[in-house]
Amino acid sequence: QVQLVESGGGLVKPGGSLRLSCAASGFSFGDYYMTWIRQAPGKGLEWISYISSASNSPSTKYADSVKGRFTISRDNAKNSLFLQMNNLRAEDTAVYYCARMQPLDYWGQGTLVTVSS
Amino acid sequence: QSVLTQPPSVSAAPGQKVTISCSGSSSDIGNNFVSWYQHLPGSSPKLLIYDNNRRPSGIPDRFSGSKSGTSATLGITGLQTGDEADYYCGTWDSSLNWVFGEGTKLTVL
Repeated sequence: QVQLVESGGGLVKPGGSLRLSCAASGFSFGDYYMTWIRQAPGKGLEWISYISSASNSPSTKYADSVKGRFTISRDNAKNSLFLQMNNLRAEDTAVYYCARMQPLDYWGQGTLVTVSS
Repeated sequence: QSVLTQPPSVSAAPGQKVTISCSGSSSDIGNNFVSWYQHLPGSSPKLLIYDNNRRPSGIPDRFSGSKSGTSATLGITGLQTGDEADYYCGTWDSSLNWVFGEGTKLTVL
């Protein structure tokens, strides 16, 4: 069955960096667009980035709130999705989910990122 | 980037029917398929409806979706206490960003 498992969350100071991973199984990972979505405490779902299925130079897209600070990438050989988060801010505190597109039919369990001094 | 408008909350009694609206524009809903997600407390979001009105396997027919122009609607009949959750619509916008609605909290009284 399809499974997505995020890891890499934790506590980080403002201005710091963190790299999230999403391990995929149960489907042909390389055939699908993948996305990261987050939910800040008490807030709704916020799409932050997606990456196309192309093996060579996949296209990427970012929400304005993370553009220039976050980088999405994938390793189709390892069935893995990544989110490199730099220059983190307090407002980046959230549960981060990876999901298969589209529609967003499978989601991981989420990983908590807390940005605080 | 677009934001889709949903009512903050809706409520109804067990066994009753409720609808949740999602309002957008010609830049998003008007030219794209809409999907709906259920987010139960402590769980990951779950796809309920895709392509405006299609249900994934395993989703009961108590859940339905429709779209007209720049708005979409999620309907839930035969309400159960287990349906208490946050519900989100989602679609693409004209810049190929994915956008979510603001979310609607369903209370089953």
